[in-house]
Amino acid sequence: DAKTTQPNSMESNEEEPVHLPCNHSTISGTDYIHWYRQLPSQGPEYVIHGLTSNVNNRMASLAIAEDRKSSTLILHRATLRDAAVYYCILRGVGGSQGNLIFGKGTKLSVKP
Amino acid sequence: GAGVSQSPSNKVTEKGKDVELRCDPISGHTALYWYRQSLGQGLEFLIYFQGNSAPDKSGLPSDRFSAERTGGSVSTLTIQRTQQEDSAVYLCASSLVQSTNYGYTFGSGTRLTVV
Repeated sequence: DAKTTQPNSMESNEEEPVHLPCNHSTISGTDYIHWYRQLPSQGPEYVIHGLTSNVNNRMASLAIAEDRKSSTLILHRATLRDAAVYYCILRGVGGSQGNLIFGKGTKLSVKP
Repeated sequence: GAGVSQSPSNKVTEKGKDVELRCDPISGHTALYWYRQSLGQGLEFLIYFQGNSAPDKSGLPSDRFSAERTGGSVSTLTIQRTQQEDSAVYLCASSLVQSTNYGYTFGSGTRLTVV
């Protein structure tokens, strides 16, 4: 399965933007880049996904590098509620690659 | 329903007993997934259903674990002869279709404690 690399942890100040990086140098042409987050004591929550173009939704923006070997999840104004573990996952076609396989993610702390 | 519903939310069982965990996916979602998360650990994929069939059971840890799905809707994860290492939060998710271009919706999980 294609792998992703994320920092173990990051800190942010409330109301400031947060850029969460993800490296996926072995990504294949058909792999979608998915982001989920898991708040304490809750199940994971879908955030955003994309293939090649940058994506925006009400929760976040996803910036995908031109060579697709890295991406960045952008939270435009962090709130205390955004403190969570953020997972960057590649979903490919065929076999178990079609399923979400979670790594360790990035634990985001937000300071008031 | 509006979201993925799991029951019970908490279950305490004695070692050696069998347990059944239930998942009600979002209505119309054809794909259903089971994961588990041990304390302080990441999410571990267990099994995936497309309709009532399970094309991928690769994550089931042992033959004590089984799952079924009926009517393309409700799924039950059964753990026989529970062991203490089975203690974890068991999470269910559903997706409209099994496609890399769709996201999952997760339930809140069942916290299983084996004593």
